[in-house]
Amino acid sequence: GDSVTQTEGQVALSEEDFLTIHCNYSASGYPALFWYVQYPGEGPQFLFRASRDKEKGSSRGFEATYNKETTSFHLQKASVQESDSAVYYCALGGGSNAKLTFGKGTKLSVKS
Amino acid sequence: EAAVTQSPRNKVAVTGGKVTLSCNQTNNHNNMYWYRQDTGHGLRLIHYSYGAGSTEKGDIPDGYKASRPSQENFSLILELATPSQTSVYFCASVWEDTQYFGPGTRLLVL
Repeated sequence: GDSVTQTEGQVALSEEDFLTIHCNYSASGYPALFWYVQYPGEGPQFLFRASRDKEKGSSRGFEATYNKETTSFHLQKASVQESDSAVYYCALGGGSNAKLTFGKGTKLSVKS
Repeated sequence: EAAVTQSPRNKVAVTGGKVTLSCNQTNNHNNMYWYRQDTGHGLRLIHYSYGAGSTEKGDIPDGYKASRPSQENFSLILELATPSQTSVYFCASVWEDTQYFGPGTRLLVL
């Protein structure tokens, strides 16, 4: 079945550092790919999506490019802030029932 | 943006008891979903629905039932709660293929 593998556990950075969270997927065809962010005590929030090879999704300074060849959708941000501290989920899905398959999440901690 | 609410926000239940978690959305979305979130597992789909009267099994449906009596409401039912069902539960509705989540219900089964 479909699956998503993302950077495991926690990523600890300082403010203004460059962020990369890796996301690789396994699925047939061209699934839609998503990034969600979850702040403490809240539900996951949609960050952005992409649905075609080479398409870039972006929001709030975060971006990721759909790469069919490497089956990847890595999240990047050039300069993180303390307020970016959260758990980030990569997901794949779409289709008629809009089901999503989530990765296990990556906790980002940014210190000032 | 979708408005999805959940109640209760926190629940303590006893083993063997019945628990009902409620979800309400006011944006007339057809599809709704129930997930549980556990450390090391991320978000896992329990049940989902295409609209009023419809329920479908997700990836981990055992021990759970779902009910969709109306477009707005989607409930998750634990008929005989067990400690392994201690978790945080999220409801979501979808517009096109983007899911919008509620704030979650923290359930502790003693």
